[in-house]
Amino acid sequence: KAGVTQTPRYLIKTRGQQVTLSCSPISGHRSVSWYQQTPGQGLQFLFEYFSETQRNKGNFPGRFSGRQFSNSRSEMNVSTLELGDSALYLCASSLVPGEAFFGQGTRLTVV
Amino acid sequence: AQTVTQSQPEMSVQEAETVTLSCTYDTSENNYYLFWYKQPPSRQMILVIRQEAYKQQNATENRFSVNFQKAAKSFSLKISDSQLGDTAMYFCAFTISRQGNQFYFGTGTSLTVIP
Repeated sequence: KAGVTQTPRYLIKTRGQQVTLSCSPISGHRSVSWYQQTPGQGLQFLFEYFSETQRNKGNFPGRFSGRQFSNSRSEMNVSTLELGDSALYLCASSLVPGEAFFGQGTRLTVV
Repeated sequence: AQTVTQSQPEMSVQEAETVTLSCTYDTSENNYYLFWYKQPPSRQMILVIRQEAYKQQNATENRFSVNFQKAAKSFSLKISDSQLGDTAMYFCAFTISRQGNQFYFGTGTSLTVIP
């Protein structure tokens, strides 16, 4: 059974640009959640999607958005990138509450 | 507010010895799940052990066990017979049952197993 797949693994962008990250959950999982990991702030919840609907949202500015498709794949988008957006972005997929499997993450560097 | 506190930023243990990582949390909810995740240098978050808050019995997974004290809101992880492959960052976390899969993470404990 394939795990959670995040693409791309590494990304370098310039300030002011936008970026789209992708997460393919484990087959059959309908919940996908996203996290930002930085040395200073640790792991912070961005949002969760379930059956194409945003179920929860963390405390991030509107530049951070996401969506989920009918096949449960999810994308997150960050517009007008700032240096502080440099981070490891992790997604997790879940079949049932209280269970999550994480992808390997996308390392975003903003220069 | 939901918080997780890991008071030990770094720890080390000799190979084959036992080590305990501390975690306290705060929530006013009654139904939740608690987790320990391991993040090795590869950055993949790997589930170590999971505990349902309504269960009084402490969870165990091979060399890993927890000491769950619900009243004290404490959830420590014990690693027995430590192995070199246990070297990693360990995160304590919880989710609230009615909130789906929104994880609240601690700041992590960096564990080094010394040969």
